[in-house]
Amino acid sequence: NAGVTQTPKFQVLKTGQSMTLQCAQDMNHNSMYWYRQDPGMGLRLIYYSASEGTTDKGEVPNGYNVSRLNKREFSLRLESAAPSQTSVYFCGAGDTRGTDTQYFGPGTRLTVL
Amino acid sequence: AQSVAQPEDQVNVAEGNPLTVKCTYSVSGNPYLFWYVQYPNRGLQFLLKYITGDNLVKGSYGFEAEFNKSQTSFHLKKPSALVSDSALYFCAVSSRGSSNTGKLIFGQGTTLQVKP
Repeated sequence: NAGVTQTPKFQVLKTGQSMTLQCAQDMNHNSMYWYRQDPGMGLRLIYYSASEGTTDKGEVPNGYNVSRLNKREFSLRLESAAPSQTSVYFCGAGDTRGTDTQYFGPGTRLTVL
Repeated sequence: AQSVAQPEDQVNVAEGNPLTVKCTYSVSGNPYLFWYVQYPNRGLQFLLKYITGDNLVKGSYGFEAEFNKSQTSFHLKKPSALVSDSALYFCAVSSRGSSNTGKLIFGQGTTLQVKP
């Protein structure tokens, strides 16, 4: 039972390159979330998926797209990376039919040069 | 606007002493409140939550938190700190309005430093 997994763990991109961050959960939770963590700013929500087949913007969606592939998987895509997207990205999974407790993956540390 | 504030960037405490990490919130309706801990180069780990009921909730690793509705606070406490408690702590609130999305609003984090 792995919980929430993310790949890759580290990535370095050049400005303008694209990439997809992968997230999968085996907790059977209905909702999944993508956050970015920057020093002194806590976690900020990029996009979320309240249930399979739906996605919505969070606080900082610009420059990102998401896909809820199925109940287990929720990917985050950077179409044209910018240095401002240098951050640590966390995927979360939670059950809104319960207590909203979210569980998080280990994170992806992304550097855009 | 809904928000969470952690007024201290860093809290320093000696091992064996009690610790408190402060959190205040502003949301509409009844909040669900959470504390998470992040060790260096790791993801966030769930510590405890308040949903309803007893204002004092107990969580992992000997931590507890007290919900105070009148002061809109949810401070994290531990009677006796350990060096291994040194980490980054986040307070979060779930805003349950008309649409139940389970989104969490996080504070900016407080670094806890426990010295031997």
